[in-house]
Amino acid sequence: ELKVEQNPLFLSMQEGKNYTIYCNYSTTSDRLYWYRQDPGKSLESLFVLLSNGAVKQEGRLMASLDTKARLSTLHITAAVHDLSATYFCAVGDNSGGSNYKLTFGKGTLLTVNP
Amino acid sequence: DTGVSQDPRHKITKRGQNVTFRCDPISEHNRLYWYRQTLGQGPEFLTYFQNEAQLEKSRLLSDRFSAERPKGSFSTLEIQRTEQGDSAMYLCASTPGQGTYGYTFGSGTRLTVV
Repeated sequence: ELKVEQNPLFLSMQEGKNYTIYCNYSTTSDRLYWYRQDPGKSLESLFVLLSNGAVKQEGRLMASLDTKARLSTLHITAAVHDLSATYFCAVGDNSGGSNYKLTFGKGTLLTVNP
Repeated sequence: DTGVSQDPRHKITKRGQNVTFRCDPISEHNRLYWYRQTLGQGPEFLTYFQNEAQLEKSRLLSDRFSAERPKGSFSTLEIQRTEQGDSAMYLCASTPGQGTYGYTFGSGTRLTVV
């Protein structure tokens, strides 16, 4: 059974600082997704990573994937208050056939303080 | 196309009642997924459709739960004899392929069983 672990689960940052969220997963997959969720809202897609070594950047966020280490990172550069949210990584799980259902981590609650 | 639509947004029901939720995916997306999210947790996979065929069901989907996608377009998720443990956000997601373009989530239906 695929397991996805994120750390840290809680992250309090000061504006302007940098930090990295880690996502480890237990079985082979070449599909890794990052989502953002604001309180009471649904999931907003941030990044789709489909191959080993994939790196994508959008604004102050950069995501990478190492399929050999089964590790993805979400790096936050010069954090601003608007980035406060819960961030989830999700791994495409093909164990049930070709359905690629998503298995999510528990999420990282990010709070950016002035 | 305005994305994935879910209805209702909120549902409060008494224990023991039946409830039904609807999901309208993006029109050209043949794959549709249902997930359940409880407070402080990541979404958990419930079931998956490819066109009208239900191809996988999670162990989480007890016999009180049933899902359909009768014409390969919209889908319904019914919960019979609701229990307080069914209180959660029910999320629908769709994708046009095997996740290579990511998954688009709806706004969710928040169910409260009293």
